[in-house]
Amino acid sequence: LAKTTQPISMDSYEGQEVNITCSHNNIATNDYITWYQQFPSQGPRFIIQGYKTKVTNEVASLFIPADRKSSTLSLPRVSLSDTAVYYCLVAAYTGFQKLVFGTGTRLLVSP
Amino acid sequence: DAGVIQSPRHEVTEMGQEVTLRCKPISGHDYLFWYRQTMMRGLELLIYFNNNVPIDDSGMPEDRFSAKMPNASFSTLKIQPSEPRDSAVYFCASSLETGASPLHFGNGTRLTVT
Repeated sequence: LAKTTQPISMDSYEGQEVNITCSHNNIATNDYITWYQQFPSQGPRFIIQGYKTKVTNEVASLFIPADRKSSTLSLPRVSLSDTAVYYCLVAAYTGFQKLVFGTGTRLLVSP
Repeated sequence: DAGVIQSPRHEVTEMGQEVTLRCKPISGHDYLFWYRQTMMRGLELLIYFNNNVPIDDSGMPEDRFSAKMPNASFSTLKIQPSEPRDSAVYFCASSLETGASPLHFGNGTRLTVT
């Protein structure tokens, strides 16, 4: 399972775009990149998943360069409610996978 | 779909007592995971099951911890005897397929051992 590295914390203001980058240098050919969001007193929640290039949904965008050794979660125009911890996870859809979460990135959005 | 259901939401017990945490995964999901979260250690994978069979329990900290999945709709995590250092939030998650299939987490059980 590819190890991931993220910034420990980030600060932003309401209305700004936030980009959180995750490094996964040892990503394998079959691996997908998945991002989760965790609010206090709740379990992590799936946000977005991608394999290459760009994926966009109603919540976020995920940018993955050609070498796939990193990925960037982009949150457009954040609000106070986006204050949470964000985790990236790398895994394949094949075989038994030991899904280990890293430290995550604690995002604090201020007024 | 009600999502992953965990009970109890909070558990306070004294050191030495047995604690049983319960989880009902999403119907149709073949994988079930137990995680523990603390400030110091973050989210730790304890054990996971596929079709009710334990696949990897290498994250179970000690023999005091045991997990079972008697059927596709129920799993338990038991700590006997409990110790103060077991205090944490325990999450259960389920997924449809292996690996990259999105995990669906319950709201966790906050365990306090005094």
